[in-house]
Amino acid sequence: AQKVTQAQTEISVVEKEDVTLDCVYETRDTTYYLFWYKQPPSGELVFLIRRNSFDEQNEISGRYSWNFQKSTSSFNFTITASQVVDSAVYFCARSGGGADGLTFGKGTHLIIQP
Amino acid sequence: GAVVSQHPSRVICKSGTSVKIECRSLDFQATTMFWYRQFPKKSLMLMATSNEGSKATYEQGVEKDKFLINHASLTLSTLTVTSAHPEDSSFYICSANGLAGAHNEQFFGPGTRLTVL
Repeated sequence: AQKVTQAQTEISVVEKEDVTLDCVYETRDTTYYLFWYKQPPSGELVFLIRRNSFDEQNEISGRYSWNFQKSTSSFNFTITASQVVDSAVYFCARSGGGADGLTFGKGTHLIIQP
Repeated sequence: GAVVSQHPSRVICKSGTSVKIECRSLDFQATTMFWYRQFPKKSLMLMATSNEGSKATYEQGVEKDKFLINHASLTLSTLTVTSAHPEDSSFYICSANGLAGAHNEQFFGPGTRLTVL
């Protein structure tokens, strides 16, 4: 199986701090896709970003940014100036695309303290 | 656009009964749908891939006779947990493949929380 590893089980920071969630993936494919999802206590998955293997450009969306490094098979996610509403479980995932299901990491529980 | 619904959102049943969960793509057609399960405080695990008009493909370790999947139309896939037992209690989430711009994307439903007493 082509695993996705999120080594940080839980991270707790104080509001307004920056925080980075790590994601390392395995792949035998040339073409693949990487994702980040947020899962609040309600359980519904919130899509954050999708990246294909040919696009290594880093991306910034508001307070969120992503660093994709194929050389280290990593796709890390940074939240700047964290807020209490960012508290959730965050999942990194990969897919081969098309009719391929997603392989999820174990998730990182992010706690933002006021 | 690209909304996926699941019904019911929560279900409680007695051990030994069967439970059907529906997954619908509301505003797009999905030839492929996926079923995942998530135990408390755990990750999502792919159970099976459901293709319209054909048999589902199950992941290793998932009992196909226990988890019956029917994808009878381009907008509906159902998961039936047969003879449910307490260990089947879990959060079941479906997703549907659809177009987001020029890309294929998986759109997730809100999930169904199953509790077997």
